[in-house]
Amino acid sequence: RKEVEQDPGPFNVPEGATVAFNCTYSNSASQSFFWYRQDCRKEPKLLMSVYSSGNEDGRFTAQLNRASQYISLLIRDSKLSDSATYLCVVNKGRDDKIIFGKGTRLHILP
Amino acid sequence: GAVVSQHPSWVICKSGTSVKIECRSLDFQATTMFWYRQFPKQSLMLMATSNEGSKATYEQGVEKDKFLINHASLTLSTLTVTSAHPEDSSFYICSARELAVTDTQYFGPGTRLTVL
Repeated sequence: RKEVEQDPGPFNVPEGATVAFNCTYSNSASQSFFWYRQDCRKEPKLLMSVYSSGNEDGRFTAQLNRASQYISLLIRDSKLSDSATYLCVVNKGRDDKIIFGKGTRLHILP
Repeated sequence: GAVVSQHPSWVICKSGTSVKIECRSLDFQATTMFWYRQFPKQSLMLMATSNEGSKATYEQGVEKDKFLINHASLTLSTLTVTSAHPEDSSFYICSARELAVTDTQYFGPGTRLTVL
């Protein structure tokens, strides 16, 4: 099983729709989880951290399921500007390293 | 949020030359900086972890003599690609973690290296 696994997509979603992606991780000792957004040929930017209790920021909701070892990202009322690659990021247990998933590409269609 | 800069943003060089990339945390002190490489349509791959005042820790398969990392201060880390070859062409991104505050990493804008 890969350390961090995501569906690469692309997800083609009409503007205004709701879209969700999951990300699974293999290390049960992982402690920190994040969603980053990366636009084409740009650096990743932190979208949100994922807490055990869930985390909501405007149209974005992140959830963590430790039992099944996955995190999710839900985007409501999607906008054209949401088109990007969404990277799932998991810290590698007790050490400082974080592992990136390969990303899920999202295209919001007008 | 915290700001990380990288310089240069892009560089084109001849095969066999060395290229130095700088990573700076502009408004915070970073005890740890990370260097990543990203090939087209691939995920970021961690190359090395750089701690201020000590030797960098390299990931398996990354040649430490080819990718020289120096982290001389709490705000600056440098990556030198020595004797660059076309297969080293990639997008190099650094990140920095704020001192004792959080494990969130803030990324620099990246350096696109093209080796002819």
